[in-house]
Amino acid sequence: DAKTTQPPSMDCAEGRAANLPCNHSTISGNEYVYWYRQIHSQGPQYIIHGLKNNETNEMASLIITEDRKSSTLILPHATLRDTAVYYCIVRTDYKLSFGAGTTVTVRA
Amino acid sequence: DTEVTQTPKHLVMGMTNKKSLKCEQHMGHRAMYWYKQKAKKPPELMFVYSYEKLSINESVPSRFSPECPNSSLLNLHLHALQPEDSALYLCASSHDYSLGRFSGNTIYFGEGSWLTVV
Repeated sequence: DAKTTQPPSMDCAEGRAANLPCNHSTISGNEYVYWYRQIHSQGPQYIIHGLKNNETNEMASLIITEDRKSSTLILPHATLRDTAVYYCIVRTDYKLSFGAGTTVTVRA
Repeated sequence: DTEVTQTPKHLVMGMTNKKSLKCEQHMGHRAMYWYKQKAKKPPELMFVYSYEKLSINESVPSRFSPECPNSSLLNLHLHALQPEDSALYLCASSHDYSLGRFSGNTIYFGEGSWLTVV
């Protein structure tokens, strides 16, 4: 499975955009980048995924570099409820291989 | 609706007990998954079912026995567990996959069942 590298933690001010980076330099051409988050004691929540193009939905935007070796998840207006562990995953077939993720703390 | 429902939310069992975790989805998904998450660790895949047949077993000990009675239900039968098996057990589902052409189907997770083995 292609590995991902994320910073272990980051802080964000409430109401500001949160930009979460992820490196996946060994990604293959047909592998998708997925983002999930896990709020304490809950199941992982799907956020967004993409293959090559940038994607946007009601929760976030995903920016993938042209060489696909890195991506950024953007939460446009962070709220206290966005405090969670965010996982960037390069998906191979059936399997989501979770790494350690980034613990994001949104501060008032 | 992207809901995967798991019961019970909390379970305490002795090492000689037999218990089951249950999972249900009504999204028409034909792939269902069990993941295990130890405290302060990321989730790890245990089993994958495709069209009610076990497709993937990630070398899980036989004291964990999965079952898929129909396309909407997934069970995990537990027997003779050890205290180190205490964890959050997560069920998930997605539209079906075929190896090699699959990874665009989103996997949706339930809230999990917290298991404590005493």
